[in-house]
Amino acid sequence: GAGVSQSPSNKVTEKGKDVELRCDPISGHTALYWYRQSLGQGLEFLIYFQGNSAPDKSGLPSDRFSAERTGGSVSTLTIQRTQQEDSAVYLCASSFTGQGLAGYTFGSGTRLTVV
Amino acid sequence: AQSVTQPDIHITVSEGASLELRCNYSYGATPYLFWYVQSPGQGLQLLLKYFSGDTLVQGIKGFEAEFKRSQSSFNLRKPSVHWSDAAEYFCAVGSTGGGNKLTFGTGTQLKVEL
Repeated sequence: GAGVSQSPSNKVTEKGKDVELRCDPISGHTALYWYRQSLGQGLEFLIYFQGNSAPDKSGLPSDRFSAERTGGSVSTLTIQRTQQEDSAVYLCASSFTGQGLAGYTFGSGTRLTVV
Repeated sequence: AQSVTQPDIHITVSEGASLELRCNYSYGATPYLFWYVQSPGQGLQLLLKYFSGDTLVQGIKGFEAEFKRSQSSFNLRKPSVHWSDAAEYFCAVGSTGGGNKLTFGTGTQLKVEL
């Protein structure tokens, strides 16, 4: 597509439920990133996928968070047993490998509210 | 570990006035520096970036930033602010080691008074 697409744009869930957030990167982009933007905080790196390499999961805050990327394209971020502190905007970005830092394109994000 | 500090959480300027948003970074090597803007409900849009070379960088929408190594700063400036510039601005430093990850500051919310 023309840009990075994230769905849903808004999600309200009850504490303890599992949620799945989806990211459709720009076609052909080999690198995909997830960031979390909490109220009053900057963006926090969560996880990074590069081609067929093992993902860099160093930013995931707990084992309730996981992500996968199928076929080198669409990615799903899953949060199990959601807690109120998980409420945030989750942003996805993609880039060509060759462009690296210069080529990030961000999606509009998914606003997650845990009640 | 790299870090970014944006000391101003909120800034209010009058339309037509000049603007400077502060950013200080901590990074062990030559930094890759970025400014992004985020309008409500939108993703992040890249305003400008510094990788090397000329320390005064021109970006989109009339913004510029100056890299000052001695001060570990990368302040964003605009000579004359427009009401449409009201948004949140994020400074970021990038690391090419380990996958081109960005470390962001906490952002500065800009309000423009008409």
